[in-house]
Amino acid sequence: DSGVTQTPKHLITATGQRVTLRCSPRSGDLSVYWYQQSLDQGLQFLIQYYNGEERAKGNILERFSAQQFPDLHSELNLSSLELGDSALYFCASSGTPGSSSYEQYFGPGTRLTVT
Amino acid sequence: TQLLEQSPQFLSIQEGENLTVYCNSSSVFSSLQWYRQEPGEGPVLLVTVVTGGEVKKLKRLTFQFGDARKDSSLHITAAQPGDTGLYLCAVKAGRSGGGADGLTFGKGTHLIIQP
Repeated sequence: DSGVTQTPKHLITATGQRVTLRCSPRSGDLSVYWYQQSLDQGLQFLIQYYNGEERAKGNILERFSAQQFPDLHSELNLSSLELGDSALYFCASSGTPGSSSYEQYFGPGTRLTVT
Repeated sequence: TQLLEQSPQFLSIQEGENLTVYCNSSSVFSSLQWYRQEPGEGPVLLVTVVTGGEVKKLKRLTFQFGDARKDSSLHITAAQPGDTGLYLCAVKAGRSGGGADGLTFGKGTHLIIQP
């Protein structure tokens, strides 16, 4: 158990819909990262938040957005969903104050199926 | 073009055999990480290598960082069914320090150890 929790575990929705994925980081971790894993693209970095502020952006589509709340949990919002958005979405956390490495701890993921 | 090329993509061997998987790039990295991912779970960090030529051992797993810090290898001795999984190498995506950025992953090696 990494200490990172994600809900829901599975999500099935239709094209054009909007969904929200939720992540709670490890206790004390200030950074939250979102990744998408698909068979063809592999595991790709989407976005990072640090202590409530956006810190880095990767291959995140404009239809996707995220935020990190004062209690440090994060949500990834996916809108106007397309079939190609079907993937595993992982949240990771890092950044315990005083940590000397950039180790990231991954949650169990949310499997999104768009029909 | 993938920043990190992993080979082989798939490997299926018998229990007790030895194997090596590779992670190659034309870029130089300050450090590189190896993760293992089991079906239905998030990646789990195995090791971080930071010095050219560095060798790290984790029980039956031996990790080496290339002298030029462009490539890495993972050698497993006497493989066991519990070693089955997706092995991913990763580097920091951005240029800022302190672990602020997300990770760039290779597409991984799918390893199956048959009893």
